[in-house]
Amino acid sequence: GDSVTQTEGLVTLTEGLPVMLNCTYQSTYSPFLFWYVQHLNEAPKLLLKSFTDNKRPEHQGFHATLHKSSSSFHLQKSSAQLSDSALYYCALRVANSGTYQRFGTGTKLQVVP
Amino acid sequence: NAGVIQTPRHKVTGKGQEATLWCEPISGHSAVFWYRQTIVQGLEFLTYFRNQAPIDDSGMPKERFSAQMPNQSHSTLKIQSTQPQDSAVYLCASSLGGLGVNQDTQYFGPGTRLLVL
Repeated sequence: GDSVTQTEGLVTLTEGLPVMLNCTYQSTYSPFLFWYVQHLNEAPKLLLKSFTDNKRPEHQGFHATLHKSSSSFHLQKSSAQLSDSALYYCALRVANSGTYQRFGTGTKLQVVP
Repeated sequence: NAGVIQTPRHKVTGKGQEATLWCEPISGHSAVFWYRQTIVQGLEFLTYFRNQAPIDDSGMPKERFSAQMPNQSHSTLKIQSTQPQDSAVYLCASSLGGLGVNQDTQYFGPGTRLLVL
């Protein structure tokens, strides 16, 4: 079935270092991929979305490229900021599938001074 | 625009009692979604409606959970005979809906934190 895998539960980084959060997926059909960010005591918000192979959407300094050949949609940022500390979810939607949306287990990003 | 409104923000119930959670989507949005969030499971999709019709309830537990959307301005999630394992934050989201619903940006409400003792 369709699924999303986020391998890191917790990533701790020093401010200024690059960020990379992993997301891989399994899907029978062509998927839509999303990254959501959830700051402490807030609701999740959409960060990025992509449906096109090798296209790189960007938002707030974050970017992610959907690579259908490797079934990946890793989230990256060149320089981490303290305010980036949050929970990040990768999510998958597949048109005409039985389940509307599947989330990965989430990666908590902790940026320290 | 008030965003997605969820009430109550916190609810404490005793084991075996019923809990009803309310969601008011953003005006003009025709798609409404329910999710459950726990530390262990993360975010789980439960169900969604489009133009008030149930479209996909594949994430809903088969027993005790039900959702309705009696009009375009509110949806309810009802849990009968609540159990401690139902304790979670229940999130509602809405989106424009329409033909591009799979690509839509969803806007989440603040959630209802349910605690079953």
